[in-house]
Amino acid sequence: LAKTTQPISMDSYEGQEVNITCSHNNIATNDYITWYQQFPSQGPRFIIQGYKTKVTNEVASLFIPADRKSSTLSLPRVSLSDTAVYYCLVGDGKAAGNKLTFGGGTRVLVKP
Amino acid sequence: EAEVAQSPRYKITEKSQAVAFWCDPISGHATLYWYRQILGQGPELLVQFQDESVVDDSQLPKDRFSAERLKGVDSTLKIQPAELGDSAMYLCASSLANAAGEAFFGQGTRLTVV
Repeated sequence: LAKTTQPISMDSYEGQEVNITCSHNNIATNDYITWYQQFPSQGPRFIIQGYKTKVTNEVASLFIPADRKSSTLSLPRVSLSDTAVYYCLVGDGKAAGNKLTFGGGTRVLVKP
Repeated sequence: EAEVAQSPRYKITEKSQAVAFWCDPISGHATLYWYRQILGQGPELLVQFQDESVVDDSQLPKDRFSAERLKGVDSTLKIQPAELGDSAMYLCASSLANAAGEAFFGQGTRLTVV
């Protein structure tokens, strides 16, 4: 399983864009990159997933360079409610029984 | 919207007692996960099922923990005997068999062992 490294914490202000970069130097050919969000006392929630280049949905964008050794989750115009822990996961997304391995995550604090 | 149901939400038990958690995954989800999350840390996978079969239980403390998913639908995680260090959030998640990493989590069970 590819190991991931991401910052422990980040602070931001309402209305700003937050970018969280995750390093995964040993990513395998079949691996997808998936991001989850977790609020206190709740289970993680799937945000976005990608394999290469750029993926965008109504919540976030995911940028993946050509070498796929890192990825950046971009949260546009954050609000106080985006304060949460964000996890980057790497794994074989199409395999039956895909294993989801969480690291320590990045604690994002959005200030007024 | 379909959800993963877990019960109870909170559980306080004395050490050396037995405790059990229940999870009902989203209908049609073949893969079911149990995680333990200690405050301030990321979720740690305890056991993973594909239908009724265990795919991975390498991190499950088998001397005291057991998990089953007899009919490939709902699942039970048991701890016997509970220890003080078992205090944590226990999370259940489910996904389609080849869901490309998109799993749905329940609200979790907060266990406190006293």
